[in-house]
Amino acid sequence: QVQLVQSGAEVKKPGASVKVSCKASGYTFTSYDINWVRQATGQGLEWMGWMNPNSGNTGYAQKFQGRVTMTRNTSISTAYMELSSLRSEDTAVYYCATGRGNSLDYYMDVWGKGTTVTVSS
Amino acid sequence: QSVLTQPPSASGTPGQRVTISCSGSSSNIGSNTVNWYQQLPGTAPKLLIYSNNQRPSGVPDRFSGSKSGTSASLAISGLQSEDEADYYCAAWDDNLNGVVFGGGTKLTVL
Repeated sequence: QVQLVQSGAEVKKPGASVKVSCKASGYTFTSYDINWVRQATGQGLEWMGWMNPNSGNTGYAQKFQGRVTMTRNTSISTAYMELSSLRSEDTAVYYCATGRGNSLDYYMDVWGKGTTVTVSS
Repeated sequence: QSVLTQPPSASGTPGQRVTISCSGSSSNIGSNTVNWYQQLPGTAPKLLIYSNNQRPSGVPDRFSGSKSGTSASLAISGLQSEDEADYYCAAWDDNLNGVVFGGGTKLTVL
């Protein structure tokens, strides 16, 4: 079955960077986008951006532009999200999710279980 | 402040029908389809409704979605205790060139 397995929890100091991985299985990795969504404790969902694993093309939410980088390694069906210049407000659970369709009709249908990133001095 | 507007809470008794609204604008709901996600406590979000009114395989037909103009609604009929969760609407926004979410609605089954 289609599955996204994310890397384990991270604890980082302010100013550092974090790189979260998302390994896909059960489908052809290059067939669907990978999106990243985060959720701070007790808060709602926040979309960070998308990546096309086939082309490597990316699109980032304006809030994260300049701080986020989404990449992939197609040989191991794995997507990565790196967030730099971390601050306490970046403490959240980070989810990857497959994205399907086009802008007129776009949805995220399979989600990873999430990776907790804690930013603390 | 979320781009899409949802009521923060909703409630109902078992067996009742409840609806959750989602309001947007011409650049998101008015132009593109709406999706709904269900997030049970302590778990990852799950796609509940896509393309305004389509249910993924395995989602009970008690859940239905609709859209009109720049608003959308999620309806849950025959409410069950296991429906207690947070529900989020989402759509692509042409101005922001990305996905926007509602702030989420916490559904309580009384």
